[in-house]
Amino acid sequence: AQTVTQSQPEMSVQEAETVTLSCTYDTSENNYYLFWYKQPPSRQMILVIRQEAYKQQNATENRFSVNFQKAAKSFSLKISDSQLGDTAMYFCAFMIRYTGNQFYFGTGTSLTVIP
Amino acid sequence: DAGITQSPRHKVTETGTPVTLRCHQTENHRYMYWYRQDPGHGLRLIHYSYGVKDTDKGEVSDGYSVSRSKTEDFLLTLESATSSQTSVYFCAISEHSQAGELFFGEGSRLTVL
Repeated sequence: AQTVTQSQPEMSVQEAETVTLSCTYDTSENNYYLFWYKQPPSRQMILVIRQEAYKQQNATENRFSVNFQKAAKSFSLKISDSQLGDTAMYFCAFMIRYTGNQFYFGTGTSLTVIP
Repeated sequence: DAGITQSPRHKVTETGTPVTLRCHQTENHRYMYWYRQDPGHGLRLIHYSYGVKDTDKGEVSDGYSVSRSKTEDFLLTLESATSSQTSVYFCAISEHSQAGELFFGEGSRLTVL
């Protein structure tokens, strides 16, 4: 079975500080993608960052970076210089290639950036 | 932004009535999905489609059916709505060439009284 676990239902961070959101997953597959999606109060789901499992280098998108530990099946998201606009629900997800593009989501972490 | 339109965006209905949610895409993506989002559960897959007339069940498919007669449209039907189906429903699309990224619609909030 494919599962995604986000063990932090809620987190908060001071503006301009750094925060790390945790995510672990379980799969027996080797070929997959990992994602972090952001859902602000507007409810729109927005892709934050993507990691291909066969790439060892951690993905980075501006203030967002990941720590991908394939052996440990861990995929954490680091947000640097947190901004008020980062307040949102964050979902970790992975997709196994060549299986109908099925995506598996965690239960989400609600992040609040405090002014 | 990916061209995905969900309708209706909000609906209130009564238990036992049929409800159909529509997802329309202009991206010609092969895969289309229906998810429901509930507090504490994240997003759960209801049904998905990998081509016209090709659909399959997700993890929470009971009480739901889908149809895809055209590439651009994916319909989700609740034959007889129940209060447990009160939720926010998201349509999403993807294509292999997009490195697996899911593009989401804006969501449809359904309340079953």
